[in-house]
Amino acid sequence: QVQLQESGPGLVKPSETLSLTCTVSGGSISSYYWSWIRQPAGKGLEWIGRIYTSGRTNYNPSLKSRVTMSVDTSKNQFSLKLSSVTAADTAVYYCARGIGYCTSTSCYYAFDIWGQGTMVTVSS
Amino acid sequence: SSELTQDPAVSVALGQTVRITCQGDSLRNYYASWYQQKPGQAPLLVIYDKNNRPSGIPDRFSGSSSGNTASLTITGAQAEDEADYYCNSRDSSGNHRVVFGGGTKLTVL
Repeated sequence: QVQLQESGPGLVKPSETLSLTCTVSGGSISSYYWSWIRQPAGKGLEWIGRIYTSGRTNYNPSLKSRVTMSVDTSKNQFSLKLSSVTAADTAVYYCARGIGYCTSTSCYYAFDIWGQGTMVTVSS
Repeated sequence: SSELTQDPAVSVALGQTVRITCQGDSLRNYYASWYQQKPGQAPLLVIYDKNNRPSGIPDRFSGSSSGNTASLTITGAQAEDEADYYCNSRDSSGNHRVVFGGGTKLTVL
Protein backbone atom coordinates (compact mmCIF):
# COMPACT_ATOMS: atom_id res chain seq x y z
CA GLN A 1 0.00 0.00 0.00
CA VAL A 2 1.06 3.56 -0.62
CA GLN A 3 2.92 5.25 2.21
CA LEU A 4 4.23 8.79 2.59
CA GLN A 5 7.25 9.91 4.59
CA GLU A 6 8.23 13.51 5.27
CA SER A 7 11.87 14.43 5.76
CA GLY A 8 13.83 17.59 6.39
CA PRO A 9 15.33 19.78 9.13
CA GLY A 10 13.39 20.01 12.34
CA LEU A 11 14.80 23.42 13.19
CA VAL A 12 14.91 26.44 10.90
CA LYS A 13 16.14 29.93 11.75
CA PRO A 14 13.85 32.94 11.33
CA SER A 15 14.00 34.56 7.88
CA GLU A 16 15.45 31.38 6.35
CA THR A 17 13.78 28.86 4.06
CA LEU A 18 12.03 25.75 5.30
CA SER A 19 12.60 22.76 3.01
CA LEU A 20 10.80 19.45 3.25
CA THR A 21 10.57 16.39 1.02
CA CYS A 22 7.87 13.74 0.91
CA THR A 23 8.79 10.30 -0.39
CA VAL A 24 6.05 8.13 -1.85
CA SER A 25 6.56 4.39 -1.44
CA GLY A 26 4.47 1.37 -2.36
CA GLY A 27 3.02 2.99 -5.45
CA SER A 28 3.55 5.52 -8.18
CA ILE A 29 3.50 9.25 -7.65
CA SER A 30 1.96 9.70 -11.09
CA SER A 31 -1.55 10.93 -11.83
CA TYR A 32 -2.33 12.38 -8.42
CA TYR A 33 -2.28 15.76 -6.73
CA TRP A 34 0.03 15.86 -3.73
CA SER A 35 -0.45 18.36 -0.94
CA TRP A 36 1.32 19.86 2.02
CA ILE A 37 -0.76 20.57 5.12
CA ARG A 38 0.42 21.97 8.43
CA GLN A 39 -0.86 22.06 11.99
CA PRO A 40 0.49 24.34 14.73
CA ALA A 41 0.46 22.78 18.17
CA GLY A 42 -3.06 22.66 19.57
CA LYS A 43 -4.58 24.19 16.44
CA GLY A 44 -6.34 23.10 13.29
CA LEU A 45 -5.21 22.01 9.86
CA GLU A 46 -4.06 24.49 7.22
CA TRP A 47 -3.65 23.54 3.58
CA ILE A 48 -0.43 24.96 2.14
CA GLY A 49 -0.73 23.88 -1.48
CA ARG A 50 -0.65 21.04 -3.94
CA ILE A 51 1.29 19.84 -6.96
CA TYR A 52 0.32 17.52 -9.77
CA THR A 53 2.84 15.15 -11.25
CA SER A 54 2.99 17.39 -14.33
CA GLY A 55 4.34 20.13 -12.08
CA ARG A 56 1.12 22.16 -12.05
CA THR A 57 0.64 23.84 -8.67
CA ASN A 58 -2.05 25.54 -6.59
CA TYR A 59 -1.14 27.41 -3.43
CA ASN A 60 -3.06 28.77 -0.49
CA PRO A 61 -3.43 32.49 -1.25
CA SER A 62 -2.38 33.34 2.30
CA LEU A 63 1.03 31.67 1.76
CA LYS A 64 1.44 31.93 -1.99
CA SER A 65 4.16 34.58 -1.98
CA ARG A 66 6.44 32.34 0.12
CA VAL A 67 5.68 28.84 -1.16
CA THR A 68 7.32 26.80 -3.88
CA MET A 69 6.52 23.16 -4.57
CA SER A 70 8.28 20.79 -6.92
CA VAL A 71 8.05 17.15 -7.93
CA ASP A 72 10.64 14.57 -8.94
CA THR A 73 8.80 11.65 -10.49
CA SER A 74 12.03 9.69 -11.01
CA LYS A 75 12.51 9.60 -7.25
CA ASN A 76 8.81 9.40 -6.37
CA GLN A 77 9.24 12.55 -4.31
CA PHE A 78 7.71 15.99 -4.02
CA SER A 79 9.00 18.93 -2.06
CA LEU A 80 8.02 22.10 -0.23
CA LYS A 81 9.97 25.29 0.22
CA LEU A 82 8.61 28.02 2.47
CA SER A 83 10.70 31.17 2.51
CA SER A 84 11.15 33.95 5.07
CA VAL A 85 9.86 31.84 7.93
CA THR A 86 8.84 33.21 11.30
CA ALA A 87 7.78 31.62 14.57
CA ALA A 88 4.23 31.50 13.17
CA ASP A 89 5.42 28.83 10.73
CA THR A 90 6.26 26.46 13.59
CA ALA A 91 4.02 23.44 13.09
CA VAL A 92 3.75 19.78 12.24
CA TYR A 93 3.95 19.51 8.47
CA TYR A 94 2.11 16.70 6.70
CA CYS A 95 2.25 15.54 3.13
CA ALA A 96 -0.89 13.94 1.75
CA ARG A 97 -2.38 12.47 -1.42
CA GLY A 98 -5.41 14.22 -2.85
CA ILE A 99 -8.33 12.44 -4.47
CA GLY A 100 -11.39 14.00 -5.96
CA TYR A 101 -14.12 13.82 -8.55
CA CYS A 102 -16.82 15.97 -10.04
CA THR A 103 -20.15 14.97 -11.51
CA SER A 104 -22.49 17.36 -13.27
CA THR A 105 -23.99 18.36 -9.93
CA SER A 106 -21.37 17.99 -7.21
CA CYS A 107 -17.74 17.37 -6.38
CA TYR A 108 -15.62 16.10 -3.56
CA TYR A 109 -11.96 16.48 -2.65
CA ALA A 110 -10.25 14.47 0.06
CA PHE A 111 -6.88 13.42 1.37
CA ASP A 112 -6.84 9.66 1.55
CA ILE A 113 -3.23 8.99 2.49
CA TRP A 114 -1.14 11.06 4.92
CA GLY A 115 2.43 10.99 6.06
CA GLN A 116 3.11 10.69 9.78
CA GLY A 117 4.05 14.37 9.93
CA THR A 118 7.26 16.13 10.80
CA MET A 119 7.67 18.83 13.43
CA VAL A 120 9.38 21.99 12.23
CA THR A 121 10.36 24.65 14.74
CA VAL A 122 11.37 28.13 13.69
CA SER A 123 13.78 29.52 16.23
CA SER A 124 17.19 31.13 16.41
CA SER B 1 -17.14 32.65 1.71
CA SER B 2 -14.47 29.96 1.51
CA GLU B 3 -14.50 29.11 5.23
CA LEU B 4 -15.86 26.03 6.98
CA THR B 5 -17.31 26.33 10.49
CA GLN B 6 -17.46 23.56 13.07
CA ASP B 7 -18.55 23.50 16.71
CA PRO B 8 -15.40 23.42 18.86
CA ALA B 9 -16.58 20.59 21.11
CA VAL B 10 -19.27 17.94 21.25
CA SER B 11 -19.88 15.15 23.74
CA VAL B 12 -21.77 11.88 23.52
CA ALA B 13 -22.59 9.10 25.93
CA LEU B 14 -21.02 5.75 25.18
CA GLY B 15 -23.17 3.84 22.70
CA GLN B 16 -25.28 6.82 21.73
CA THR B 17 -25.46 8.67 18.42
CA VAL B 18 -23.71 11.95 17.77
CA ARG B 19 -23.75 14.35 14.84
CA ILE B 20 -20.87 16.69 14.06
CA THR B 21 -21.63 19.49 11.65
CA CYS B 22 -19.68 21.62 9.21
CA GLN B 23 -21.06 24.75 7.55
CA GLY B 24 -19.81 26.73 4.59
CA ASP B 25 -20.82 28.10 1.23
CA SER B 26 -18.51 25.72 -0.63
CA LEU B 27 -20.59 22.80 0.67
CA ARG B 28 -23.37 23.78 -1.71
CA ASN B 29 -21.12 22.49 -4.50
CA TYR B 30 -18.72 20.12 -2.73
CA TYR B 31 -19.38 17.19 -0.47
CA ALA B 32 -17.37 17.50 2.73
CA SER B 33 -14.70 14.99 3.56
CA TRP B 34 -14.20 14.07 7.21
CA TYR B 35 -11.06 13.19 9.16
CA GLN B 36 -10.47 11.73 12.60
CA GLN B 37 -7.33 12.79 14.42
CA LYS B 38 -6.14 11.31 17.68
CA PRO B 39 -3.35 12.93 19.75
CA GLY B 40 0.05 12.57 18.18
CA GLN B 41 -1.33 11.00 15.00
CA ALA B 42 -1.92 12.13 11.47
CA PRO B 43 -5.51 12.73 10.38
CA LEU B 44 -7.38 9.67 9.09
CA LEU B 45 -9.97 9.96 6.34
CA VAL B 46 -13.28 8.50 7.55
CA ILE B 47 -15.85 9.84 5.05
CA TYR B 48 -15.55 11.24 1.53
CA ASP B 49 -17.84 12.00 -1.40
CA LYS B 50 -21.58 11.68 -0.72
CA ASN B 51 -21.14 9.02 1.98
CA ASN B 52 -18.17 6.76 1.24
CA ARG B 53 -15.99 5.10 3.84
CA PRO B 54 -12.41 4.08 3.09
CA SER B 55 -11.55 0.47 3.71
CA GLY B 56 -11.29 -0.31 7.41
CA ILE B 57 -13.54 2.51 8.63
CA PRO B 58 -16.43 1.12 10.72
CA ASP B 59 -19.91 1.49 9.32
CA ARG B 60 -21.02 3.42 12.40
CA PHE B 61 -19.50 6.45 10.63
CA SER B 62 -21.73 8.07 8.01
CA GLY B 63 -21.98 11.36 6.19
CA SER B 64 -24.81 13.51 4.92
CA SER B 65 -25.34 16.94 3.45
CA SER B 66 -28.08 19.54 3.11
CA GLY B 67 -27.62 22.97 1.63
CA ASN B 68 -24.50 24.53 3.11
CA THR B 69 -24.23 22.06 5.98
CA ALA B 70 -22.48 18.70 6.07
CA SER B 71 -22.79 16.24 8.91
CA LEU B 72 -20.74 13.36 10.22
CA THR B 73 -22.82 10.93 12.25
CA ILE B 74 -21.42 8.29 14.57
CA THR B 75 -24.10 5.75 15.43
CA GLY B 76 -23.24 3.93 18.63
CA ALA B 77 -20.17 5.90 19.62
CA GLN B 78 -17.29 3.92 21.09
CA ALA B 79 -14.59 5.04 23.48
CA GLU B 80 -12.04 4.84 20.67
CA ASP B 81 -14.02 7.42 18.70
CA GLU B 82 -12.91 10.15 21.10
CA ALA B 83 -10.81 12.40 18.88
CA ASP B 84 -10.73 15.64 16.93
CA TYR B 85 -12.78 15.64 13.75
CA TYR B 86 -12.13 17.93 10.79
CA CYS B 87 -14.13 18.56 7.65
CA ASN B 88 -12.71 19.83 4.38
CA SER B 89 -13.75 20.72 0.88
CA ARG B 90 -12.53 22.70 -2.07
CA ASP B 91 -13.23 26.41 -2.24
CA SER B 92 -15.95 26.75 -4.85
CA SER B 93 -14.90 30.25 -5.88
CA GLY B 94 -12.59 28.88 -8.54
CA ASN B 95 -9.20 29.53 -6.96
CA HIS B 96 -8.51 25.82 -6.32
CA ARG B 97 -7.98 26.46 -2.63
CA VAL B 98 -8.60 23.60 -0.22
CA VAL B 99 -10.24 24.56 3.07
CA PHE B 100 -10.56 22.84 6.44
CA GLY B 101 -12.98 23.41 9.26
CA GLY B 102 -11.58 24.42 12.61
CA GLY B 103 -12.17 20.98 14.08
CA THR B 104 -14.53 19.49 16.66
CA LYS B 105 -13.27 17.80 19.81
CA LEU B 106 -15.48 14.77 20.45
CA THR B 107 -15.65 13.48 24.01
CA VAL B 108 -17.20 10.08 24.67
CA LEU B 109 -18.63 10.01 28.19
